[in-house]
Parts: sequence; structure tokens; C-alpha cells
Amino acid sequence: DAKTTQPTSMDCAEGRAANLPCNHSTISGNEYVYWYRQIHSQGPQYIIHGLKNNETNEMASLIITEDRKSSTLILPHATLRDTAVYYCIVSDTGTASKLTFGTGTRLQVTL
Amino acid sequence: ETGVTQSPTHLIKTRGQQVTLRCSSQSGHNTVSWYQQALGQGPQFIFQYYREEENGRGNFPPRFSGLQFPNYSSELNVNALELDDSALYLCASSLLAGVVEQFFGPGTRLTVL
Repeated sequence: DAKTTQPTSMDCAEGRAANLPCNHSTISGNEYVYWYRQIHSQGPQYIIHGLKNNETNEMASLIITEDRKSSTLILPHATLRDTAVYYCIVSDTGTASKLTFGTGTRLQVTL
Repeated sequence: ETGVTQSPTHLIKTRGQQVTLRCSSQSGHNTVSWYQQALGQGPQFIFQYYREEENGRGNFPPRFSGLQFPNYSSELNVNALELDDSALYLCASSLLAGVVEQFFGPGTRLTVL
């Protein structure tokens, strides 16, 4: 599986958009980008995934660059409850439920 | 609908002992995956069970073993515990083996002294 690079930490003011970047320059053509988050003392929570088109659901939007070497997870209106570690993972569909997470980005949402 | 549950919440063992961790999958889910999360690290895939058969394994030694029961609940067994086995052990269930969205339990915190 391709490796990902994420900033260690980010801050965001409540109500503003949180944009979390992820680099995955060695991604293969059949590999998807998955995002999970882990709120303190809880198990990870699935957010969104995509292959090459931008995706949106009730939680977030995923923007993938045309060359697929990077992506951005957007939380449009961050709240204090969005404070968590956000993981970007690249994997093919055969291993979609057998993921190995990196260290992620710790997002702190502040008042 | 009941979510994924794990037991016990916390556990303390000594080196060389054996431990069994338990997981009840979300209703209707037939696939269970186990992960190990060391302090400050992301979860690492241990293995997956689909319809009572092992369906993939990560880079973990054979002393990590598992079972899945007909009701799709699962156990993780670790023999000959080592200090480095201290971690949060997470269980995740999914509707099918290839389905992207997994639902994680709260984990079992294992401390090996």
C-alpha cells in the first residue's frame, strides 16, 4: 500500500472550515483514499473515501488532485466535537477493511 | 441497533501470560477485524475473520490468534505476552469483507508488566 504524509497537528476556529491535507505521491491506479478519525478514548470512525472524483457526504468533503498525489479533507463548519486525530489511508478495495493507519493529524478546534 | 462492544475494558497481565479479548460485532455484520494501537500510533491491522474463517492477516506473529463464532462475535488470543504487546486492541465489524465502512468498538486497553 502507498504511504501517506500528513501534518502532525492543526488548529481550527469553531465555525470555520477545517482543511486537512494528505500527500500520497506513490498512490497506484487502483488505490482509494480513505479518511477516518479517532476522537479521544474512542475507536476510529469512518468519514469518507474516494478514488479520483471529489466526494461529499454529511460529514465532510474529499478533494483529490487530478494527479491523485494529494488530497484534502474538508470539514465545512468545524465544531468542538470535531477535535480528533484524522487519518488518511491509501489502499485498494481488497484491503479496504484491513487498513494500517499512520500517525494522522491531530486537529484541535478552538472557540 | 447495538454497536460493536468489547470486553474487558482494561486488563493487566504479566510477561509470559496469555490473554483473551472479546468482541461482539454490530448486528447483521459478518466480518470482524482486529487492530493493535500502541500509544501515540495509529491502529495496525492484525487479522480479519469472515464467516468464521481467517480472511487476511497483518504482520503479527502466530502467537496472535483468533476465532469467530457462528453469531459472528470474535476473540483475539495472545500467547506468551511481551511488554510490547501493551496497547489498545480494537475490534471493527463490517457488513461484508470488502465493504469500506468499518464500525469500531471502544477497545480493550492491555497492559503487560
